Amino acid sequence: DAGITQSPRHKVTETGTPVTLRCHQTENHRYMYWYRQDPGHGLRLIHYSYGVKDTDKGEVSDGYSVSRSKTEDFLLTLESATSSQTSVYFCAIGERGGKAETQYFGPGTRLLVL
Amino acid sequence: SQQGEEDPQALSIQEGENATMNCSYKTSINNLQWYRQNSGRGLVHLILIRSNEREKHSGRLRVTLDTSKKSSSLLITASRAADTASYFCATQAALEYGNKLVFGAGTILRVKS
Repeated sequence: DAGITQSPRHKVTETGTPVTLRCHQTENHRYMYWYRQDPGHGLRLIHYSYGVKDTDKGEVSDGYSVSRSKTEDFLLTLESATSSQTSVYFCAIGERGGKAETQYFGPGTRLLVL
Repeated sequence: SQQGEEDPQALSIQEGENATMNCSYKTSINNLQWYRQNSGRGLVHLILIRSNEREKHSGRLRVTLDTSKKSSSLLITASRAADTASYFCATQAALEYGNKLVFGAGTILRVKS
């Protein structure tokens, strides 16, 4: 596996509480991504980062915020968790190579919002 | 909205048989990629085909791309029980900043031994 870790790996929380998920990479890749995976939807992009302090929204960004203060860390925050945010969250990293790029994924975080 | 749609949603075959999965997409792309996900794990990149390529091989994998039909297929030859996984196509759109990928819903492949 590429040097990507996610923490925590599992979390159970209650509706209305804040939750922060961490993605850490040791590959020094410029691009980092947060996805959520739900049955029947594949992976959907929440937010991504193209450098330190440079982030942008993805397809399903409502209710989520991100921060990247260091190249190696990308944080995903649910300000006030809702049951609809119960999902598996994956972090990915990538580096620009010519016109193409592949992404390398972390092991995922299972989040249950009660 | 999802870019890639995969067909079939699920596929069950015997070990040694070939498995074919199809992917359709909607807009112009730079490249199309296939990923595999074993149960409970993250996705692993399998193969990438660029928009100016028609066919690509990697070991037992063969990918085709038809940009006129906006479709791709992934063929796994001589399947093994270890190929049991979910397979996702992902497209990288032309003129898309951030190298973002848009994933399909995936095909669940089960290879019976």
